[in-house]
Amino acid sequence: GESVGLHLPTLSVQEGDNSIINCAYSNSASDYFIWYKQESGKGPQFIIDIRSNMDKRQGQRVTVLLNKTVKHLSLQIAATQPGDSAVYFCAENIVDQGGKLIFGQGTELSVKP
Amino acid sequence: NAGVMQNPRHLVRRRGQEARLRCSPMKGHSHVYWYRQLPEEGLKFMVYLQKENIIDESGMPKERFSAEFPKEGPSILRIQQVVRGDSAAYFCASSPPRTGGDEQYFGPGTRLTVT
Repeated sequence: GESVGLHLPTLSVQEGDNSIINCAYSNSASDYFIWYKQESGKGPQFIIDIRSNMDKRQGQRVTVLLNKTVKHLSLQIAATQPGDSAVYFCAENIVDQGGKLIFGQGTELSVKP
Repeated sequence: NAGVMQNPRHLVRRRGQEARLRCSPMKGHSHVYWYRQLPEEGLKFMVYLQKENIIDESGMPKERFSAEFPKEGPSILRIQQVVRGDSAAYFCASSPPRTGGDEQYFGPGTRLTVT
């Protein structure tokens, strides 16, 4: 399955499929980006980050892609598992302006067993 | 290494009362951030503090809200004369001593309900 970005705040995928969550960030001056996972009733949990001098970064089962030309960020989750069900937020930061993070709307990922 | 700690986890206040929310950053972290989250929305930045200093309070409402991070003890977010619209989840995050460009680790949040 694939999200069409902020216009589709929910994404439902089958267990084992790959998930792609999209985010359009707001500020062309932003140079640091983070993806967070938030489960119900909990605080955001860091997943992966990327700096603007990169266009791709991989972690364990996750990949973040950054397209600065169109101010677009995506999170790819390989072999999605039921434990991946949560709301996913992208956040942006301008390093020279301190640590303030600007969060996107969020996408709710639902994994069907 | 304990994570970011917040207390209380749940707080109920009547309109007009004061709410005090506490945050203890991760060990070795000297930067603290407060965010507010309304139901089904993203987190909104409120304030960024270092020990004894407010660095950026551009997200704080002009009245009734204040924050501090004293030399000793936790960071405190204080809301005076609470109103129903203050009901939200308040999250604290901390990061290592570098300005920006570092992952922020979040606490479990304090859920404030104003009745």
